[in-house]
Amino acid sequence: GDSVTQMEGPVTLSEEAFLTINCTYTATGYPSLFWYVQYPGEGLQLLLKATKADDKGSNKGFEATYRKETTSFHLEKGSVQVSDSAVYFCALSGGSNYKLTFGKGTLLTVNP
Amino acid sequence: NAGVTQTPKFQVLKTGQSMTLQCAQDMNHEYMSWYRQDPGMGLRLIHYSVGAGITDQGEVPNGYNVSRSTTEDFPLRLLSAAPSQTSVYFCASSPVGAELNYEQYFGPGTRLTVT
Repeated sequence: GDSVTQMEGPVTLSEEAFLTINCTYTATGYPSLFWYVQYPGEGLQLLLKATKADDKGSNKGFEATYRKETTSFHLEKGSVQVSDSAVYFCALSGGSNYKLTFGKGTLLTVNP
Repeated sequence: NAGVTQTPKFQVLKTGQSMTLQCAQDMNHEYMSWYRQDPGMGLRLIHYSVGAGITDQGEVPNGYNVSRSTTEDFPLRLLSAAPSQTSVYFCASSPVGAELNYEQYFGPGTRLTVT
């Protein structure tokens, strides 16, 4: 079945540091890939998505490129802020229904 | 638009009690789903629905029932609560279409503790 593996946290960075959170996937066919973010005490919200190979999703300074050859969708940001502290989930959807398959989440803490 | 709303926000149950978690959306989305979030497990799909009158099981359906009598509402029923059902529950909705790549909109969650 489909699966998503993302780097385990927690990740602690200083403000303005470079961020990478690795995500790889296993899926049949051509899934769509997503990054969701969960701020403390809130539900998940979509950060960015990519629907086909070589697509780059971007939002709020975050980027991720759909790499079919390496089955990866790594999240990057050039300069993190304290307000980026949250849990980040990589997810995919595909197949015959709309089910999202999530990674386990990565807690990011950014210190001033 | 209120988006996806969930009630209650917090709930404590005793083992064996039953209850219903409410979920409603005002975006006219056909697809609705319930996930549970447990530490180190990510989110796991409990049940989902692709329209009124249509429901199906996800990966962890045991101990939960759902129904979808209207497009707007998708309640989750715990039949006989167990400590293993202590979790945070999220409801989500999205449009449907051939591309399967629509964003899912999540509610704020219900934190359930079963003692």
